[in-house]
Amino acid sequence: AQTVTQSQPEMSVQEAETVTLSCTYDTSESDYYLFWYKQPPSRQMILVIRQEAYKQQNATENRFSVNFQKAAKSFSLKISDSQLGDAAMYFCAYRSNSGAGSYQLTFGKGTKLSVIP
Amino acid sequence: KAGVTQTPRYLIKTRGQQVTLSCSPISGHRSVSWYQQTPGQGLQFLFEYFSETQRNKGNFPGRFSGRQFSNSRSEMNVSTLELGDSALYLCASSLGHPTGELFFGEGSRLTVL
Repeated sequence: AQTVTQSQPEMSVQEAETVTLSCTYDTSESDYYLFWYKQPPSRQMILVIRQEAYKQQNATENRFSVNFQKAAKSFSLKISDSQLGDAAMYFCAYRSNSGAGSYQLTFGKGTKLSVIP
Repeated sequence: KAGVTQTPRYLIKTRGQQVTLSCSPISGHRSVSWYQQTPGQGLQFLFEYFSETQRNKGNFPGRFSGRQFSNSRSEMNVSTLELGDSALYLCASSLGHPTGELFFGEGSRLTVL
């Protein structure tokens, strides 16, 4: 079974600064997807960024980028120019690309990010 | 385009009762997934339906069940409620393939007394 680990339960960042959230995962599969989801206090989960395992290039979405190290099974999220609206719980998630596992997400326990004005 | 709608948003039940939660996916989405979110266990997958068929099920007891209707709306039912079933239940819809983005609803907050 796949597992996802987020070792930082809480983090804080000064507004306009950069912060990196860590995520490691364990899998024996070679074809999968990795995601970062954001859950603001209003509770609706929103997709931040997605990475296909077969792509070596790190995904970027505006101020959000990832550092995907497939051999190390590491998938960190970097938020640049942090804004107050970035304050939320961030979840790292894994999704297989084969079999029944492709129909579910396995989540880490989350990292609560606070942004200091 | 309307988002994923979950009802009810909040509910309180007592041990031994049963509860039914509803999820209306985004128009055109044929896949609906359910997740349980608790402070202790985090987010755990319950089940996923596609075109009225359950494609995958998480590691939950048989008290947890679900179904999907022909219009893609989904319901999940929990029977014989236990205190530990208190949680936020999240529904997510998608087009149904692995690369498809999941769109989450705001959740149904269940409290079991």
